[in-house]
Amino acid sequence: DSGVTQTPKHLITATGQRVTLRCSPRSGDLSVYWYQQSLDQGLQFLIHYYNGEERAKGNILERFSAQQFPDLHSELNLSSLELGDSALYFCASSVGGSLYQETQYFGPGTRLLVL
Amino acid sequence: AQSVTQLGSHVSVSEGALVLLRCNYSSSVPPYLFWYVQYPNQGLQLLLKYTSAATLVKGINGFEAEFKKSETSFHLTKPSAHMSDAAEYFCAVSARGATNKLIFGTGTLLAVQP
Repeated sequence: DSGVTQTPKHLITATGQRVTLRCSPRSGDLSVYWYQQSLDQGLQFLIHYYNGEERAKGNILERFSAQQFPDLHSELNLSSLELGDSALYFCASSVGGSLYQETQYFGPGTRLLVL
Repeated sequence: AQSVTQLGSHVSVSEGALVLLRCNYSSSVPPYLFWYVQYPNQGLQLLLKYTSAATLVKGINGFEAEFKKSETSFHLTKPSAHMSDAAEYFCAVSARGATNKLIFGTGTLLAVQP
């Protein structure tokens, strides 16, 4: 158990819908990262938040948005869902935001299926 | 821009045999390099990372990797495979100025035969 929790574990929805994925980082970690893992695109970095502020963006679609709240949990919002958005979405956390100095811990993921 | 290439999407070894998983990077300056492992139905776990302190990096579970600038490689090895090593392994790279952005390879699925 990494200490990072993600809810829900599974999500099935229809095209055009909107969903929210939730992540709670390890106690004491200020950084939250979101990743998407799909058969087509592999494992991709989406976005990084540190203490409530966006620090870096990767291959995140405009239909996707995220935020980190004052209690440090984070939510990833996916809207106007398409079949291709079906994937495993991981959240990870670390103490700061410099991965060469610290370890990043991954949650178990949320598996999203868009029908 | 940084990128990594993992040669071999599937590798099969016998229990007790050497494990060698290949990773080559592309970067104009030496980047930071990482190896992660993903067990079935789990998130990723950091095995080891290269941050320029030493070219031979030792990680968890008996794995190690050597950074070779001349070959732009960061191959992962383990002298003797265990059944519990069966998993998917990902090499990742980040730029020195953006260490919070990891770019992952396509992964190598390691099978260990009894």
